[in-house]
Amino acid sequence: EDQVTQSPEALRLQEGESSSLNCSYTVSGLRGLFWYRQDPGKGPEFLFTLYSAGEEKEKERLKATLTKKESFLHITAPKPEDSATYLCAVQDGTSGSRLTFGEGTQLTVNP
Amino acid sequence: GAGVSQSPRYKVAKRGQDVALRCDPISGHVSLFWYQQALGQGPEFLTYFQNEAQLDKSGLPSDRFFAERPEGSVSTLKIQRTQQEDSAVYLCASSRSSGGYEQYFGPGTRLTVT
Repeated sequence: EDQVTQSPEALRLQEGESSSLNCSYTVSGLRGLFWYRQDPGKGPEFLFTLYSAGEEKEKERLKATLTKKESFLHITAPKPEDSATYLCAVQDGTSGSRLTFGEGTQLTVNP
Repeated sequence: GAGVSQSPRYKVAKRGQDVALRCDPISGHVSLFWYQQALGQGPEFLTYFQNEAQLDKSGLPSDRFFAERPEGSVSTLKIQRTQQEDSAVYLCASSRSSGGYEQYFGPGTRLTVT
Protein backbone atom coordinates (compact mmCIF):
# COMPACT_ATOMS: atom_id res chain seq x y z
CA GLU A 1 0.00 0.00 0.00
CA ASP A 2 1.30 3.44 -0.96
CA GLN A 3 2.16 5.77 1.90
CA VAL A 4 2.96 9.49 1.89
CA THR A 5 4.13 11.39 4.97
CA GLN A 6 4.61 15.16 4.96
CA SER A 7 6.52 17.22 7.47
CA PRO A 8 6.24 19.51 9.21
CA GLU A 9 2.47 19.62 9.71
CA ALA A 10 2.63 23.40 10.01
CA LEU A 11 5.33 25.96 9.32
CA ARG A 12 5.46 29.66 10.10
CA LEU A 13 7.99 31.83 8.26
CA GLN A 14 8.79 35.49 8.11
CA GLU A 15 8.64 37.08 4.67
CA GLY A 16 11.95 36.39 2.95
CA GLU A 17 12.88 33.47 5.22
CA SER A 18 13.62 30.48 2.96
CA SER A 19 12.76 26.92 4.02
CA SER A 20 11.87 23.43 2.77
CA LEU A 21 8.90 21.11 3.07
CA ASN A 22 9.44 17.34 3.11
CA CYS A 23 7.43 14.53 1.51
CA SER A 24 8.52 10.96 2.27
CA TYR A 25 6.90 8.19 0.29
CA THR A 26 6.65 4.42 0.00
CA VAL A 27 5.39 3.11 -3.32
CA SER A 28 5.82 -0.13 -5.23
CA GLY A 29 6.72 1.54 -8.50
CA LEU A 30 6.65 5.31 -8.77
CA ARG A 31 4.89 6.62 -11.85
CA GLY A 32 4.87 10.23 -10.70
CA LEU A 33 5.09 12.48 -7.64
CA PHE A 34 2.85 15.53 -7.64
CA TRP A 35 2.86 18.76 -5.64
CA TYR A 36 -0.30 20.79 -5.18
CA ARG A 37 -1.17 24.01 -3.40
CA GLN A 38 -4.54 24.33 -1.66
CA ASP A 39 -6.06 27.57 -0.40
CA PRO A 40 -8.92 27.51 2.15
CA GLY A 41 -12.25 26.65 0.54
CA LYS A 42 -10.68 25.78 -2.81
CA GLY A 43 -9.59 22.67 -4.64
CA PRO A 44 -5.92 21.69 -4.94
CA GLU A 45 -3.99 23.65 -7.58
CA PHE A 46 -1.38 21.73 -9.57
CA LEU A 47 2.24 22.86 -9.16
CA PHE A 48 4.70 20.18 -10.32
CA THR A 49 5.11 16.59 -11.47
CA LEU A 50 8.39 14.74 -10.89
CA TYR A 51 9.00 11.36 -12.49
CA SER A 52 12.46 10.12 -11.55
CA ALA A 53 15.13 10.53 -8.88
CA GLY A 54 17.35 13.51 -9.51
CA GLU A 55 14.69 15.50 -11.33
CA GLU A 56 14.10 19.12 -10.33
CA LYS A 57 11.45 21.66 -11.37
CA GLU A 58 11.08 25.35 -10.59
CA LYS A 59 8.30 27.89 -10.68
CA GLU A 60 8.82 31.40 -9.34
CA ARG A 61 9.90 31.01 -5.69
CA LEU A 62 9.26 27.25 -5.59
CA LYS A 63 11.61 24.42 -6.47
CA ALA A 64 10.74 20.73 -6.20
CA THR A 65 13.31 17.93 -6.03
CA LEU A 66 13.00 14.15 -5.95
CA THR A 67 15.04 11.25 -4.56
CA LYS A 68 14.11 7.56 -4.39
CA LYS A 69 12.52 8.03 -0.98
CA GLU A 70 11.47 11.64 -0.64
CA SER A 71 10.73 14.93 -2.30
CA PHE A 72 11.42 18.44 -1.10
CA LEU A 73 9.61 21.65 -1.92
CA HIS A 74 12.04 24.51 -1.42
CA ILE A 75 10.58 27.98 -0.94
CA THR A 76 12.99 30.84 -1.55
CA ALA A 77 12.30 34.29 -0.10
CA PRO A 78 8.60 33.56 0.48
CA LYS A 79 5.90 36.20 0.38
CA PRO A 80 2.61 36.31 2.34
CA GLU A 81 0.75 35.20 -0.78
CA ASP A 82 2.62 31.88 -0.61
CA SER A 83 0.61 31.04 2.52
CA ALA A 84 -1.40 27.88 1.79
CA THR A 85 -1.46 24.16 2.44
CA TYR A 86 0.98 22.25 0.25
CA LEU A 87 0.01 18.70 -0.64
CA CYS A 88 2.22 15.93 -1.97
CA ALA A 89 0.80 12.91 -3.80
CA VAL A 90 2.15 9.78 -5.51
CA GLN A 91 0.88 7.69 -8.36
CA ASP A 92 2.23 4.19 -8.74
CA GLY A 93 2.29 1.88 -11.68
CA THR A 94 0.34 -0.94 -10.07
CA SER A 95 -2.74 0.73 -8.62
CA GLY A 96 -3.95 2.53 -11.69
CA SER A 97 -4.22 6.28 -11.94
CA ARG A 98 -5.30 7.17 -8.43
CA LEU A 99 -3.28 9.69 -6.41
CA THR A 100 -2.35 8.90 -2.80
CA PHE A 101 -1.98 12.14 -0.86
CA GLY A 102 -0.16 13.11 2.29
CA GLU A 103 -1.90 15.19 4.93
CA GLY A 104 -0.23 18.40 3.81
CA THR A 105 1.95 21.12 5.29
CA GLN A 106 0.16 24.32 6.30
CA LEU A 107 2.49 27.21 5.49
CA THR A 108 2.00 30.69 6.92
CA VAL A 109 4.24 33.53 5.77
CA ASN A 110 4.07 36.63 7.94
CA PRO A 111 4.82 40.08 6.49
CA GLY B 1 -9.86 27.97 -20.69
CA ALA B 2 -12.56 26.75 -18.32
CA GLY B 3 -11.46 24.55 -15.46
CA VAL B 4 -13.27 21.77 -13.65
CA SER B 5 -16.60 22.90 -12.23
CA GLN B 6 -18.69 21.30 -9.51
CA SER B 7 -22.20 21.87 -8.27
CA PRO B 8 -23.60 22.54 -5.83
CA ARG B 9 -20.73 24.16 -3.94
CA TYR B 10 -22.48 23.55 -0.63
CA LYS B 11 -25.08 20.95 0.31
CA VAL B 12 -26.81 20.38 3.62
CA ALA B 13 -28.69 17.10 3.91
CA LYS B 14 -30.63 15.53 6.71
CA ARG B 15 -29.47 12.09 7.73
CA GLY B 16 -31.14 9.52 5.52
CA GLN B 17 -31.59 11.78 2.50
CA ASP B 18 -30.10 11.02 -0.90
CA VAL B 19 -27.75 13.56 -2.55
CA ALA B 20 -26.30 13.98 -6.04
CA LEU B 21 -23.10 15.89 -6.71
CA ARG B 22 -22.19 16.99 -10.23
CA CYS B 23 -18.80 17.40 -11.92
CA ASP B 24 -18.06 19.05 -15.28
CA PRO B 25 -14.49 18.15 -16.30
CA ILE B 26 -12.17 20.11 -18.56
CA SER B 27 -13.29 19.66 -22.15
CA GLY B 28 -11.49 16.80 -23.85
CA HIS B 29 -10.16 15.25 -20.66
CA VAL B 30 -10.49 11.49 -20.82
CA SER B 31 -9.97 10.64 -17.17
CA LEU B 32 -12.16 11.75 -14.27
CA PHE B 33 -11.61 11.14 -10.57
CA TRP B 34 -13.59 11.63 -7.37
CA TYR B 35 -11.86 12.22 -4.01
CA GLN B 36 -13.16 12.81 -0.50
CA GLN B 37 -11.40 15.29 1.78
CA ALA B 38 -12.03 15.46 5.52
CA LEU B 39 -11.14 18.63 7.41
CA GLY B 40 -7.39 18.96 7.87
CA GLN B 41 -6.63 15.85 5.81
CA GLY B 42 -5.40 15.17 2.30
CA PRO B 43 -7.86 14.02 -0.36
CA GLU B 44 -8.67 10.29 -0.45
CA PHE B 45 -9.45 8.45 -3.68
CA LEU B 46 -13.01 7.26 -4.27
CA THR B 47 -13.36 6.25 -7.93
CA TYR B 48 -11.97 6.72 -11.46
CA PHE B 49 -13.44 6.83 -14.96
CA GLN B 50 -11.77 6.61 -18.32
CA ASN B 51 -14.31 7.99 -20.75
CA GLU B 52 -17.60 6.35 -19.67
CA ALA B 53 -15.98 3.26 -18.15
CA GLN B 54 -15.58 3.11 -14.39
CA LEU B 55 -12.20 1.42 -14.10
CA ASP B 56 -11.65 1.64 -10.35
CA LYS B 57 -14.24 2.03 -7.60
CA SER B 58 -12.21 0.48 -4.83
CA GLY B 59 -12.21 3.68 -2.74
CA LEU B 60 -15.98 3.98 -2.41
CA PRO B 61 -16.61 3.54 1.34
CA SER B 62 -19.89 1.66 1.09
CA ASP B 63 -22.56 0.51 -1.33
CA ARG B 64 -24.44 3.73 -0.54
CA PHE B 65 -21.97 5.53 -2.83
CA PHE B 66 -22.50 5.33 -6.56
CA ALA B 67 -20.85 7.23 -9.44
CA GLU B 68 -21.60 7.43 -13.13
CA ARG B 69 -20.34 9.13 -16.28
CA PRO B 70 -22.76 7.90 -18.93
CA GLU B 71 -21.53 9.93 -21.92
CA GLY B 72 -17.89 10.20 -20.96
CA SER B 73 -18.12 13.84 -19.93
CA VAL B 74 -20.19 15.03 -16.95
CA SER B 75 -20.12 12.80 -13.88
CA THR B 76 -22.44 12.45 -10.92
CA LEU B 77 -21.57 11.09 -7.49
CA LYS B 78 -24.65 9.88 -5.65
CA ILE B 79 -24.85 9.11 -1.96
CA GLN B 80 -27.90 7.27 -0.73
CA ARG B 81 -29.24 7.39 2.83
CA THR B 82 -26.60 9.90 3.95
CA GLN B 83 -24.93 9.45 7.33
CA GLN B 84 -23.09 11.99 9.48
CA GLU B 85 -19.76 10.37 8.64
CA ASP B 86 -20.37 11.29 4.99
CA SER B 87 -19.83 14.97 5.86
CA ALA B 88 -16.75 16.08 3.91
CA VAL B 89 -15.62 17.97 0.83
CA TYR B 90 -16.04 15.97 -2.36
CA LEU B 91 -13.49 16.87 -5.00
CA CYS B 92 -13.60 16.05 -8.69
CA ALA B 93 -10.50 16.04 -10.87
CA SER B 94 -9.84 15.44 -14.55
CA SER B 95 -6.75 14.70 -16.62
CA ARG B 96 -5.86 14.35 -20.30
CA SER B 97 -5.32 10.65 -19.93
CA SER B 98 -4.34 8.03 -17.43
CA GLY B 99 -0.88 7.34 -16.11
CA GLY B 100 1.44 10.09 -15.07
CA TYR B 101 -0.58 13.09 -16.17
CA GLU B 102 -1.43 15.84 -13.75
CA GLN B 103 -4.97 15.95 -12.42
CA TYR B 104 -6.80 19.28 -12.31
CA PHE B 105 -9.23 19.73 -9.46
CA GLY B 106 -12.53 21.50 -9.15
CA PRO B 107 -13.47 23.69 -6.17
CA GLY B 108 -15.28 20.84 -4.41
CA THR B 109 -18.72 20.34 -2.90
CA ARG B 110 -18.91 20.69 0.87
CA LEU B 111 -21.49 18.20 2.16
CA THR B 112 -22.84 18.58 5.67
CA VAL B 113 -25.15 15.87 7.00
CA THR B 114 -27.22 16.93 10.00
